[in-house]
Amino acid sequence: DGGITQSPKYLFRKEGQNVTLSCEQNLNHDAMYWYRQDPGQGLRLIYYSQIVNDFQKGDIAEGYSVSREKKESFPLTVTSAQKNPTAFYLCASSIREGGTEAFFGQGTRLTVV
Amino acid sequence: GIQVEQSPPDLILQEGANSTLRCNFSDSVNNLQWFHQNPWGQLINLFYIPSGTKQNGRLSATTVATERYSLLYISSSQTTDSGVYFCAVGRRYGGSQGNLIFGKGTKLSVKP
Repeated sequence: DGGITQSPKYLFRKEGQNVTLSCEQNLNHDAMYWYRQDPGQGLRLIYYSQIVNDFQKGDIAEGYSVSREKKESFPLTVTSAQKNPTAFYLCASSIREGGTEAFFGQGTRLTVV
Repeated sequence: GIQVEQSPPDLILQEGANSTLRCNFSDSVNNLQWFHQNPWGQLINLFYIPSGTKQNGRLSATTVATERYSLLYISSSQTTDSGVYFCAVGRRYGGSQGNLIFGKGTKLSVKP
């Protein structure tokens, strides 16, 4: 089955730790995205990648980092510099960036303890 | 940047009723999608509709790009329709080809 797989589903992090969220897609899409959702809010763009080895900051990139070494994979690292990391994180992909339909993974719920 | 406003923010319906959700946006777009977020948080694609009208079963959507709004119609609502409905739009600016910008959603509750 083609789709987008995010792992883990739930993640707990101690203050001061970095954590990495996984996102893998087998849709052969060039573009991938990371969004953050806070309770009762819409989604906000963290980072996006149009193609392998290239990525751009979104609206709320501070405290996050990404890599795009393979077309299928776009991991997100939440660093200790992110002041309020507790949120629901969603990964998406589309055939190319912009103007094409985007599809989302099931999300990772990150909680700082 | 582009603004996306959804209305109403909350909607309570009796099972079997019809409803219309609205999405207004502040600039021209090259992408518009409607999503349903289920209770587990997953975003389900409903429509990719930068312009025109589409129908899928009990759901249909219309986007009037020149007037900068889109409507999602739900007919004969069922309890499984409950959840949050998001409109997201994209437009080209700078080096971006139009990443999706989300509205705050309409929370729908369908009562049996």
